[in-house]
Amino acid sequence: EAQVTQNPRYLITVTGKKLTVTCSQNMNHEYMSWYRQDPGLGLRQIYYSMNVEVTDKGDVPEGYKVSRKEKRNFPLILESPSPNQTSLYFCASSAYRDTQPQHFGDGTRLSIL
Amino acid sequence: GNSVTQMEGPVTLSEEAFLTINCTYTATGYPSLFWYVQYPGEGLQLLLKATKADDKGSNKGFEATYRKETTSFHLEKGSVQVSDSAVYFCALRSLMDSSYKLIFGSGTRLLVRP
Repeated sequence: EAQVTQNPRYLITVTGKKLTVTCSQNMNHEYMSWYRQDPGLGLRQIYYSMNVEVTDKGDVPEGYKVSRKEKRNFPLILESPSPNQTSLYFCASSAYRDTQPQHFGDGTRLSIL
Repeated sequence: GNSVTQMEGPVTLSEEAFLTINCTYTATGYPSLFWYVQYPGEGLQLLLKATKADDKGSNKGFEATYRKETTSFHLEKGSVQVSDSAVYFCALRSLMDSSYKLIFGSGTRLLVRP
């Protein structure tokens, strides 16, 4: 089954404690992306990757890091989380064509206290 | 820059009513347009898409037509069911945007009552 898998689904943690949200896709997609979803704002892109070792900032990259060492994995790293990063996070992947839809994971709800 | 505007929600309807959720966009070039649906506690699922002017996307009884002249992509369904209750997002994606990202509207919550 084609899917994007995120872990964990839920996490409550404290300010400053480094955390990583993993994302893996099994569709051999070149393009992967992270979004955050906040009430009234829809989804906003954090980082994206066109292929292995190729990553770039989206619209709201501050406080986040990513890496793309393998095609299937695209982890999101919060090195020093702060309360304003409390949000619902989605990983997505797609083939590299504008007509192709992005496939989304089920989301990770992060609460930073 | 590119943007998507959706009608404010929530939209509350009775079962079997007709649904329209308005979506308009601003974009350079000719973007691809999408509707995504988010059921409670779940991720976003692609509902339908249209990739060029006058294309009609359809799925599960939902339809939307890519209208270049009015820069719109309104979602419609002739008879809604309780199971259609969800948040609906209109989105665009443009090859002119080097980030290749989806640009979303703010979402419209639909509540269908029995």
